[in-house]
Amino acid sequence: EAGVAQSPRYKIIEKRQSVAFWCNPISGHATLYWYQQILGQGPKLLIQFQNNGVVDDSQLPKDRFSAERLKGVDSTLKIQPAKLEDSAVYLCASSLKPGVSYEQYFGPGTRLTVT
Amino acid sequence: QKEVEQNSGPLSVPEGAIASLNCTYSDRVSQSFFWYRQYSGKSPELIMSIYSNGDKEDGRFTAQLNKASQYVSLLIRDSQPSDSATYLCAVVPTGRRALTFGSGTRLQVQP
Repeated sequence: EAGVAQSPRYKIIEKRQSVAFWCNPISGHATLYWYQQILGQGPKLLIQFQNNGVVDDSQLPKDRFSAERLKGVDSTLKIQPAKLEDSAVYLCASSLKPGVSYEQYFGPGTRLTVT
Repeated sequence: QKEVEQNSGPLSVPEGAIASLNCTYSDRVSQSFFWYRQYSGKSPELIMSIYSNGDKEDGRFTAQLNKASQYVSLLIRDSQPSDSATYLCAVVPTGRRALTFGSGTRLQVQP
């Protein structure tokens, strides 16, 4: 079974530029998550989708971050404009529907450096 | 108080010893608990889930849950240098449907 796919793996941009990350979850997983992991910290949830609807975006900085999950499969996370403090690894994870399982499986992540 | 707390370490153990990693959580009603392993530069990998009080064993790993005391632990028997990694504890808080992670404990297994 293929795992969670993410691209790109690395990205370096200047502050105030925009960037987009892509994620393809495990086949059959209804729930998709985007996390931000800053060095030395645990992953922090940015947004959670159930199929193509948003379940939780309470910690998403909506003035600069946006995400969508069209057709309930792939998802894109965008940052515009980027700030220095956005330098982090952006992790996508997927799971079966909550209530069935909360076990989440992570993709390889995208390491973002903002200069 | 943080929702999930872990000692950052590093926890250093000799090869072949038992490594004991601990985690406390603040939400008394949490029901689902997970341990993830994260190698340097890699993404978290699920190694154990536990939902009921007591012990759950999987190979060299044992997860222990004590809901009354609000802690969950992970024991690694016969530790190997390849177990050297950061171990993340995660909890599903009441009313939420996603994981809240601790900051992780770095484990070093000395050959």
